[in-house]
Amino acid sequence: QSVLTQPPSVSGAPGQRVTISCTGSSSNIGAGFDVHWYQQLPGTAPKVLIYDNSNRPSGVPDRFSGSKSGTSASLAITGLQAEDEADYYCQSYDSSLGGSRVFGGGTKLTVL
Amino acid sequence: EVQLVESGGGLVQPGGSLRLSCAASGFTFSNHEMHWVRQVTGKGLEWVSAVGIAGGTFYSGSVKGRFTISRENAKNSFYLQMNSLTAGDMAVYYCARERVGTTSGDFDIWGQGTMVTVSS
Repeated sequence: QSVLTQPPSVSGAPGQRVTISCTGSSSNIGAGFDVHWYQQLPGTAPKVLIYDNSNRPSGVPDRFSGSKSGTSASLAITGLQAEDEADYYCQSYDSSLGGSRVFGGGTKLTVL
Repeated sequence: EVQLVESGGGLVQPGGSLRLSCAASGFTFSNHEMHWVRQVTGKGLEWVSAVGIAGGTFYSGSVKGRFTISRENAKNSFYLQMNSLTAGDMAVYYCARERVGTTSGDFDIWGQGTMVTVSS
């Protein structure tokens, strides 16, 4: 069981908006540690999509956005495209685990 | 080009050892904390270990006492020595760079991954 909780799957039609939640606790997200989001296409290494809660690396479309509040964070994808079908992971730091980074269990996004 | 390249994966018997390497290029290696992340086939990402810029080391509970991470700045490389391997360690192992400038930064560069198979 992952320290950060994500829904196993979400889906949406092309052009729609979807959100993926990431729920933590007082020792990670709630403690103020930043949340990062990764996209993993089949057979490839993960790629950072959002860092430090809401920042997009250069090259990532502004259709992707992140937010954080309390012990949770969210990734929003607007104008859904077929190429967005992938696995998405949130990641943070947990102070109760001796310097550990922690990942969410991952969410499979299906574009209908 | 900023790049990380893993090597050293392969087949090992239960109880055996393996050493993974990650070679960095295209950036100032010594400025970055470096990590290993693994992924069992069909499952999610699991953080394994980190080595700080001053050489401090950190481990997940599942590998502490069995795995050792180290770095060699002169060779722009870092390593993961894995001992007492079990079927539970079978996974693709990725090396990753932590972004500079934050306390708990994201992993902004990843290697392509190397497969570790534990089987008799």
